[in-house]
Amino acid sequence: TQLLEQSPQFLSIQEGENLTVYCNSSSVFSSLQWYRQEPGEGPVLLVTVVTGGEVKKLKRLTFQFGDARKDSSLHITAAQPGDTGLYLCAGAGSNYKLTFGKGTLLTVNP
Amino acid sequence: GAGVSQSPSNKVTEKGKDVELRCDPISGHTALYWYRQRLGQGLEFLIYFQGNSAPDKSGLPSDRFSAERTGESVSTLTIQRTQQEDSAVYLCASSLSVGGAQPQHFGDGTRLSIL
Repeated sequence: TQLLEQSPQFLSIQEGENLTVYCNSSSVFSSLQWYRQEPGEGPVLLVTVVTGGEVKKLKRLTFQFGDARKDSSLHITAAQPGDTGLYLCAGAGSNYKLTFGKGTLLTVNP
Repeated sequence: GAGVSQSPSNKVTEKGKDVELRCDPISGHTALYWYRQRLGQGLEFLIYFQGNSAPDKSGLPSDRFSAERTGESVSTLTIQRTQQEDSAVYLCASSLSVGGAQPQHFGDGTRLSIL
């Protein structure tokens, strides 16, 4: 069974601060996706990383896929209250199935 | 609409009753997925459809759970003889085709509460 561990589980910061959340596994994934979920809504895809060592930027968000394709990180620069939400990572193996982590609940206080 | 639509958005029912949850995927998406999300937890995979076929039902928690899809479109998830542990948000997602790297587009879920 492939498992994804996300850390920290909860994070509360002030507007303007930087933060990094992590997604780790002992399994290799062919690709990894990051989603953000707001209360009462479904997850929304932010990015997919496919190549080991790949770095993708989405405005103030930087995503990195580990060289061995077992882990990933999400770094947010100058966080804003609109970044508040549950950040989920999901790994794809050799089949159709996505394995989701439990998520990091981020609160950015104004 | 252009997105995945789920109904009802909220469902409260008594233990022992049957419930039916509906998902309308994005038009043209051949793959459809059902997940369960308990409070404070990640997404638990239940079942997926490729067209109208469900090749893997192993994620369904018990034989009280069943799902079907018709016309390569609408899907229903049925829970019979509901139990309190079935309380959760049930999320549906669709993607253009089956494949782990395919982006999945989620509905807003059905919040199911069993009294």
